[in-house]
Order: sequence, then C-alpha cells, then structure tokens
Amino acid sequence: DAKTTQPTSMDCAEGRAANLPCNHSTISGNEYVYWYRQIHSQGPQYIIHGLKNNETNEMASLIITEDRKSSTLILPHATLRDTAVYYCIVRVDFGNEKLTFGTGTRLTIIP
Amino acid sequence: DAGVTQSPTHLIKTRGQQVTLRCSPKSGHDTVSWYQQALGQGPQFIFQYYEEEERQRGNFPDRFSGHQFPNYSSELNVNALLLGDSALYLCASRVGVGNTIYFGEGSWLTVV
Repeated sequence: DAKTTQPTSMDCAEGRAANLPCNHSTISGNEYVYWYRQIHSQGPQYIIHGLKNNETNEMASLIITEDRKSSTLILPHATLRDTAVYYCIVRVDFGNEKLTFGTGTRLTIIP
Repeated sequence: DAGVTQSPTHLIKTRGQQVTLRCSPKSGHDTVSWYQQALGQGPQFIFQYYEEEERQRGNFPDRFSGHQFPNYSSELNVNALLLGDSALYLCASRVGVGNTIYFGEGSWLTVV
C-alpha cells in the first residue's frame, strides 16, 4: 500500500470548515483513499472513501486532486465532537485486507 | 443493526499467561480482521479470517493466533503474554471483497 503523509496536528474553530490534507504521491491507479477517525479510547470510525472523483456523504466531503497525489477531507461545520485523530489510508480494494494506519492528524476543535 | 461487538472491554493479565478476546462482526459481515494499537500509535494489522481460515497475516509472532466460527464470530488468542502486548485490540469486519471495513470499540489488555 502507498504511504501517506499528514500534518501531526491542526486546530479549527467550532462552526468553521475543517480541511485536513493528505499526501499520497506514490498512490497506484487501483488504490482507493480512505479516511477514518478515532475519538479518544474508541475504535476507528469510517468516514468516507474515494478513487478519483470527489465524494460527499452525511459526515464529510473528500476532494482528490486530478493527479490523485493528494486529497483533502472537509468537515463542513466542525463541532466539539469532531475532535479526534484522523487517518488517511490508501488501499487496494481487491486482494488486500490490510489497512495501514500512519500516525494521523490530531484535530482539535476550539470553542 | 448492531455494529462490531467485542468482549471483554478491559482486562488485566500477568506476564506468561494466555488471553482470549472475542468479536462478533457487524450483521451480514463474513470477514473479520484483528488489529493491535499500542498507546500513541496507529492500529497495526494482525490477521484476517474468512471462511474460518486465516487469509492474510501481518508481522506478528506465532504467539498470536485466531479462529473464526461458522457464525462468522472470531477469537484472538495470545500466548505467553509479554509486557509489550499491552494495547487496545481492535476487531474489524466487512462483507465481500473490497467493501468498507468497520471497527469495534476494542478490548483494552494490560499485562503486568
């Protein structure tokens, strides 16, 4: 699986959009970009994933650059409950079960 | 619809002992994976079970073993516990190849 690079930590004001970047410059054509988050002492929570098109669901939006070498997770209206460690993972969907987690971005929402 | 459930939530064991952790996958899911998360680090893949067989394994010693039952539930066994085995053990499940993987809340293991 391709390696990802994320900032160690970020702050965001409550009610503002939180934009979390991820670099995955060695991503292969058949690798998806997944985002999970982990609130303190809980299991990782799936947020969103995509291959090359932008994706949106009830939790977030995922913007993938045209060359697929980077992506941004957007939480449109951050709340205090969004404070967590956010993991960006690239994964081949077929034939490889493993999710390779890095150290993630610790996002703190400021009241 | 219950998500991935794990038991016990917390346990304390002594060095050299053996431990068994249990997991029930999300309803309809047939594939189970186990991860170890040490304090301050991201989860590390241990192994995956499908059709009651280990299909993929991470870089963990043979002291770590598992089992999947016909109802798709799974157990993780760790023998000869070391202090370094203290961690959060996460179970994850999915249905079908390539579908989204969902995690349970984990079992906290402390080895003293």
